[in-house]
Amino acid sequence: QVQLQESGPGLVKPSETLSLTCAVSGYSINSGYYWGWIRQPPGKGLEWIGSIYHGGSTYYNPSLKSRVTISVDTSKNQFSLKLSSVTAADTAMYYCARQVALIAPFDYWGQGTLVTVSS
Amino acid sequence: EIVMTQSPATLSVSPGERATLSCRASQSVSTNLAWYQQKPGQAPRLLIYGASTRATGIPARFSGSGSGTEFTLTISSLQSEDFAVYYCQQYNNWPPLTFGGGTKVEIK
Repeated sequence: QVQLQESGPGLVKPSETLSLTCAVSGYSINSGYYWGWIRQPPGKGLEWIGSIYHGGSTYYNPSLKSRVTISVDTSKNQFSLKLSSVTAADTAMYYCARQVALIAPFDYWGQGTLVTVSS
Repeated sequence: EIVMTQSPATLSVSPGERATLSCRASQSVSTNLAWYQQKPGQAPRLLIYGASTRATGIPARFSGSGSGTEFTLTISSLQSEDFAVYYCQQYNNWPPLTFGGGTKVEIK
């Protein structure tokens, strides 16, 4: 059974960099597929942040592209998100998820981790 | 960017009744459309992909239809566990992948 688990600081100061990791179990990232990050501000809808292919190709939401970096560490079977220069508007539940192909939905999701941006 | 618009924002339905949720794309997404269910405090769960294919383990009371720009999710007979928020998502033309704003299905 594929499982994804997000981890990282729950509180980040404004202007700093948000860093999260998604650990994958039950499937080897090195075997393929796309791995993505999605966020959801409290009480609001879902926003795709970006995705990475196991080989390292990245795809970012143009609205966040200048501040986002997604990377993969196949040796640890995990992938990571960095979002720089955060503001209160970046406060959200952050989810990691899997896509089996470029043209495919997200079939497995992590439980999510809440990140609050506040001084 | 493809904009996904869901209607209505809130749907009040009695248990056992049928619920019909709509999703419209600003341009054609073929059948590359998914529906997700999200309950409070939980991650979204994939219900339907390819506009009409149920994901593994999804009950037959959930069905999806449509292509191009107009899509529908139908829950044939609402059970208590079906009261939740439902999102559509297009994965035909990205980046960016885009989601609709959601429809909350509440108890009437």
